[in-house]
Amino acid sequence: SQQGEEDPQALSIQEGENATMNCSYKTSINNLQWYRQNSGRGLVHLILIRSNEREKHSGRLRVTLDTSKKSSSLLITASRAADTASYFCATDPVGFQKLVFGTGTRLLVSP
Amino acid sequence: DVKVTQSSRYLVKRTGEKVFLECVQDMDHENMFWYRQDPGLGLRLIYFSYDVKMKEKGDIPEGYSVSREKKERFSLILESASTNQTSMYLCASGGAGKQYFGPGTRLTVT
Repeated sequence: SQQGEEDPQALSIQEGENATMNCSYKTSINNLQWYRQNSGRGLVHLILIRSNEREKHSGRLRVTLDTSKKSSSLLITASRAADTASYFCATDPVGFQKLVFGTGTRLLVSP
Repeated sequence: DVKVTQSSRYLVKRTGEKVFLECVQDMDHENMFWYRQDPGLGLRLIYFSYDVKMKEKGDIPEGYSVSREKKERFSLILESASTNQTSMYLCASGGAGKQYFGPGTRLTVT
């Protein structure tokens, strides 16, 4: 299986704290993406980082990519209760024409 | 705004029934995908399509088939539903750069 792994599986924090999620994958990639899923809903694209990039920012999101370790992290700063959701990484492996999704991290942000 | 719609949010079917899940996108994307999502397993690709009448097997195609007669519509078919096909089904369109997802269909097979 090409599937990536994410950790932690679940994360519980207080509003205002930062949340960090990690993703590891197995093959060479063209890019890595992060998606968010609210309970019982479809996924929403958050951010994409290309294989030749090391860090990317979008609002309160910061993504890093280490291709030598085949890993990425998503940092959400100053979290809010509305950030409560599941977060998935997805890789675009070289030579494949489809995304491979990780198993997801469930984030709970308490007021 | 890109819109991907799925025909049902919730569906209950009996074992052995033929089940159709419909997905429609309004952005003229060539690529469309069907995933199933199960707790602890993440999203797994069932089938995808790069063009009308074209289909490719994903990671778990057994027990499923698909149809793409028009560019905007991609249907997932369970020929004879079984209880192990109880799951959340997600349709997406787009490409490797970014995919847009529908709201999902939660299918229960009893």
